[in-house]
Amino acid sequence: DQQVKQNSPSLSVQEGRISILNCDYTNSMFDYFLWYKKYPAEGPTFLISISSIKDKNEDGRFTVFLNKSAKHLSLHIVPSQPGDSAVYFCAASVANSGNTPLVFGKGTRLSVIA
Amino acid sequence: DAMVIQNPRYQVTQFGKPVTLSCSQTLNHNVMYWYQQKSSQAPKLLFHYYDKDFNNEADTPDNFQSRRPNTSFCFLDIRSPGLGDTAMYLCATSRGPGRAETQYFGPGTRLLVL
Repeated sequence: DQQVKQNSPSLSVQEGRISILNCDYTNSMFDYFLWYKKYPAEGPTFLISISSIKDKNEDGRFTVFLNKSAKHLSLHIVPSQPGDSAVYFCAASVANSGNTPLVFGKGTRLSVIA
Repeated sequence: DAMVIQNPRYQVTQFGKPVTLSCSQTLNHNVMYWYQQKSSQAPKLLFHYYDKDFNNEADTPDNFQSRRPNTSFCFLDIRSPGLGDTAMYLCATSRGPGRAETQYFGPGTRLLVL
């Protein structure tokens, strides 16, 4: 059973507009969330994260919003650029005193059209 | 540049023929991870090393083994590959095991089992 779900396999957005990528989770113990970005033929790279004590974290054009009651987070990219075209993975982690492996979603392929 | 390197990038093997995938890192990170990612699926953690301590995920098949002879190198051994083991295998590292530690991924090895 998927604990982290990205229900949109793909998304197309016009350059300059906002991209909104969504992620839902089922495990209420998750308390740390990350977004990774993956270009073809490369490994995923870390983009932005958020702890459950916050509901928003912003880094330049990228903002992640967390709605704990809905078990939902979203990544907003404003303005979208062609170089943002990639697969975006949502990942989550459980608070633990030991090792805390990440649980990934299946990814959403974003295409930014010039 | 410090990085995570995976060799080979592409590997074709026959059903039942053992194969070894290699990962090396120049980041001097304490933790190394192996993930399996099948087509259109989420990356799935197989196991990880925290220094020399090996941590196996509960549902990782026995067919998959790992070795970490030193800080820089980690190997994934698939003793008797099945057709269902065709996937991308991603190696990642992090400075520590905590949930806030960013994982740095290699480019992956695409394995095809015939």
